[in-house]
Amino acid sequence: NAGVTQTPKFQVLKTGQSMTLQCAQDMNHEYMSWYRQDPGMGLRLIHYSVGAGITDQGEVPNGYNVSRSTTEDFPLRLLSAAPSQTSVYLCAGLKQNTGELFFGEGSRLTVL
Amino acid sequence: SQQGEEDPQALSIQEGENATMNCSYKTSINNLQWYRQNSGRGLVHLILIRSNEREKHSGRLRVTLDTSKKSSSLLITASRAADTASYFCAPSDRNFNKFYFGSGTKLNVKP
Repeated sequence: NAGVTQTPKFQVLKTGQSMTLQCAQDMNHEYMSWYRQDPGMGLRLIHYSVGAGITDQGEVPNGYNVSRSTTEDFPLRLLSAAPSQTSVYLCAGLKQNTGELFFGEGSRLTVL
Repeated sequence: SQQGEEDPQALSIQEGENATMNCSYKTSINNLQWYRQNSGRGLVHLILIRSNEREKHSGRLRVTLDTSKKSSSLLITASRAADTASYFCAPSDRNFNKFYFGSGTKLNVKP
């Protein structure tokens, strides 16, 4: 099992560009989530999904869209990147019976 | 906010010593977990403690939870250089729909 896989690992964007961060899992997690991690601010929940076709907002959803057409994939879209979105993005799946989150290795995004 | 807050922000100890990290949170919770993050990597689950538990052990880890004080502690005994990492607490709701991570404690274990 690959677990939770995020691509790309690094990305540089210009202000106003759009892009999609990919997250795929092969652990059959119904629940998946996206966090952003910033120095001194911990991990903040952006969006989460409790199953295919269902998504919900977290603490900091503005500027981000998600969709969940399959159980395996949970992409995060930045429609018009801003420098404030420079961050490390972490995707996680949940093993529901234990409450354990499994994280990907992260995607480091820089917006110039 | 239910966000966990870890204390201290940074901790430096010698190999073999014990490391204690604390976590406080603001509202009632059902579960609290601790995670570790090595530099440049994703977070790895260490241990879960439920609101009806007071203490839990896993190998060299000991976690306590005091719901009356809204606090938890993580003790790593006989630390090793490989324990060098950031440690996060994550209070969560009953169904694990939302986790509230703090900023973490950065632990440095010197060989």
